[in-house]
Amino acid sequence: NAGVTQTPKFRVLKTGQSMTLLCAQDMNHEYMYWYRQDPGMGLRLIHYSVGEGTTAKGEVPDGYNVSRLKKQNFLLGLESAAPSQTSVYFCASVRLKNTGELFFGEGSRLTVL
Amino acid sequence: AQSVTQPDIHITVSEGASLELRCNYSYGATPYLFWYVQSPGQGLQLLLKYFSGDTLVQGIKGFEAEFKRSQSSFNLRKPSVHWSDAAEYFCAVEPIGTASKLTFGTGTRLQVTL
Repeated sequence: NAGVTQTPKFRVLKTGQSMTLLCAQDMNHEYMYWYRQDPGMGLRLIHYSVGEGTTAKGEVPDGYNVSRLKKQNFLLGLESAAPSQTSVYFCASVRLKNTGELFFGEGSRLTVL
Repeated sequence: AQSVTQPDIHITVSEGASLELRCNYSYGATPYLFWYVQSPGQGLQLLLKYFSGDTLVQGIKGFEAEFKRSQSSFNLRKPSVHWSDAAEYFCAVEPIGTASKLTFGTGTRLQVTL
C-alpha cells in the first residue's frame, strides 16, 4: 500500500517554464489537497478537491492550476513559474468520514531560478 | 481574523525530560483541532485529534494534548521525550464543515539533546 505518492520529488525550473506535479493516492480517498511549505510559514493550502471533476481555491491559489480527472490523481500545474514559487509542495488526501485525518505525500521540492 | 498560533519556533529538551508545545487558536466557534509531526524530509503524520468530549486526548507515540476552551489552547505534551521525537510539530485547525481544509500553525521545531 503506497499511500500518497508525489512525482517528481525534485525539480529545478527557470523563470517562465511550466511544469506539472502529480499526486496519486491508492486509498480511495474522496478529498485531496495541495499545500506549499515555506520556512516560518507552515503549510498553506493552494487548491483542493472534494471529488472527481471538482476543484476549489485555497488560501494561495494564484499562479497555480489543478485538475482531478480521476479520483486517485490530483495534478498541480505551474503555467509560468516564478522564483516566488520556490517551495516544497505537499499533496494530501483524506477519507470523507475521517475529517481532518490527512495522509501526506513525502513532498516535492521545486526551485525556480 | 481566524488564526492558529504556535509561539515557540524552536524548543530544545533533554532526553527523558517532559515536553509541552503550545498552540492557540482564534476562531468564532471551537474548530476541530489536530497535531501533526514532520520528520526531516518527510510528509506530515497525524499525532492526535480533538473533536469534542473529553478534553484530554491521547495520540500515537505517547503524546497527549489538552483542550482548554477558556484559553483557546490545545497544547501537546509528552511525559518523557525520546531522541527519536526530534522533528517539527504542527498544530492545525479545521473549522467545522469545511471539507477538512486544515489551517496549520507555523510549526515548532523540537531538538532533543542526549
